[in-house]
Amino acid sequence: DAKTTQPPSMDCAEGRAANLPCNHSTISGNEYVYWYRQIHSQGPQYIIHGLKNNETNEMASLIITEDRKSSTLILPHATLRDTAVYYCIVRVAYDKIIFGKGTRLHILP
Amino acid sequence: DTEVTQTPKHLVMGMTNKKSLKCEQHMGHRAMYWYKQKAKKPPELMFVYSYEKLSINESVPSRFSPECPNSSLLNLHLHALQPEDSALYLCASSLQGAVNQPQHFGDGTRLSIL
Repeated sequence: DAKTTQPPSMDCAEGRAANLPCNHSTISGNEYVYWYRQIHSQGPQYIIHGLKNNETNEMASLIITEDRKSSTLILPHATLRDTAVYYCIVRVAYDKIIFGKGTRLHILP
Repeated sequence: DTEVTQTPKHLVMGMTNKKSLKCEQHMGHRAMYWYKQKAKKPPELMFVYSYEKLSINESVPSRFSPECPNSSLLNLHLHALQPEDSALYLCASSLQGAVNQPQHFGDGTRLSIL
């Protein structure tokens, strides 16, 4: 799987949009970008994934650059419950997810 | 709440004990996974089952023995574990394991080896 690079930590004010960046400069054409998060003492939670196009669901939006070398996860109105470690994963191998170190997002009241 | 159920939530065992971790899902998923997560580290893949057959073993020591008795159930049998095996053990499932199908995780079993 391609390697991803994320900032180790970020802060965001409650009610504001949280924009989490991810670099995946070695991504190949058939590799998907996935985002998961892990809230303390829970298992990872699937958020969203995409291949080329931008995607949106009830939790978040995923913006992938045209060259696909980077992406941004957007939480439109962050709440305290969004405090978690966010993992950006580029996945090609059948069945396998390889987690990187992730970004620890702190939502500030 | 998660649709992947893991039991027990916590387990303390001695190095000579034998115990099992259980994972269950009723979403009709045919791929199931075991991960290990040490404190402040990301999860690491251990095993993958696809259609009840072991498809990936990430060079896990034989003191960990997985079993998939049916499409809804995944077990991890533990024997003669070491203190360094203390960790959070996570189970996940996906529809068929394809790259465009997300994995859904349980909340894990927190294992402590005395």
